[in-house]
Amino acid sequence: EAGVTQSPRYAVLQEGQAVSFWCDPISGHDTLYWYQQPRDQGPQLLVYFRDEAVIDNSQLPSDRFSAVRPKGTNSTLKIQSAKQGDTATYLCASSFARADTQYFGPGTRLLVL
Amino acid sequence: GEQVEQRPPHLSVPEGDSAVIICTYTDSATAYFYWYKQEPGAGLQLLMSVFSNVDRKEEQGLTVLLNKKDKQLSLNLTAAHPGDSAVYFCAVTANSGTYQRFGTGTKLQVVP
Repeated sequence: EAGVTQSPRYAVLQEGQAVSFWCDPISGHDTLYWYQQPRDQGPQLLVYFRDEAVIDNSQLPSDRFSAVRPKGTNSTLKIQSAKQGDTATYLCASSFARADTQYFGPGTRLLVL
Repeated sequence: GEQVEQRPPHLSVPEGDSAVIICTYTDSATAYFYWYKQEPGAGLQLLMSVFSNVDRKEEQGLTVLLNKKDKQLSLNLTAAHPGDSAVYFCAVTANSGTYQRFGTGTKLQVVP
């Protein structure tokens, strides 16, 4: 069974540039999570979906960050105008709604210069 | 909201010794507990999960202890080897199918 896949694996951009991250969850998983992990810190939730619906996006900086999961499968996280403080690894995870185990992808490491 | 603290932030042990990492949480409704391992440049690898009705769980050289009275979760790696060197995170959640709150991580170095 394929795991959670993410692309790109690395991104380097200047402040003010836009970037999109893509996540393909494990087939059949209805719940998808995006976490931000700054260097030397634990992951922190940005947003999560059940199917195509946003369940919690309270931690998503809404003025610059957006996330969609239009068909309830793949998801895209976009940063509209990146700041140096956005430098982090962005992790995607998926699970079944009623299961307690989340499966994490390898992450996208973002460096904003 | 839930607060999760993890200690120590750094831990160095000789090969063959045990290593203990401790997390404390604040929400008494927390029901699911996890330990993850993260190697450089990699995602999170689930090591063990426990539900709140379990006080102790052992698997493959790892022991997880849950003290609900003190709201404390610990991970004990017995007979650590260099391949155990990584960053370890605890995570908790009150309900399955919701997001997890993570500790701040412990960087473990096992010295040959």
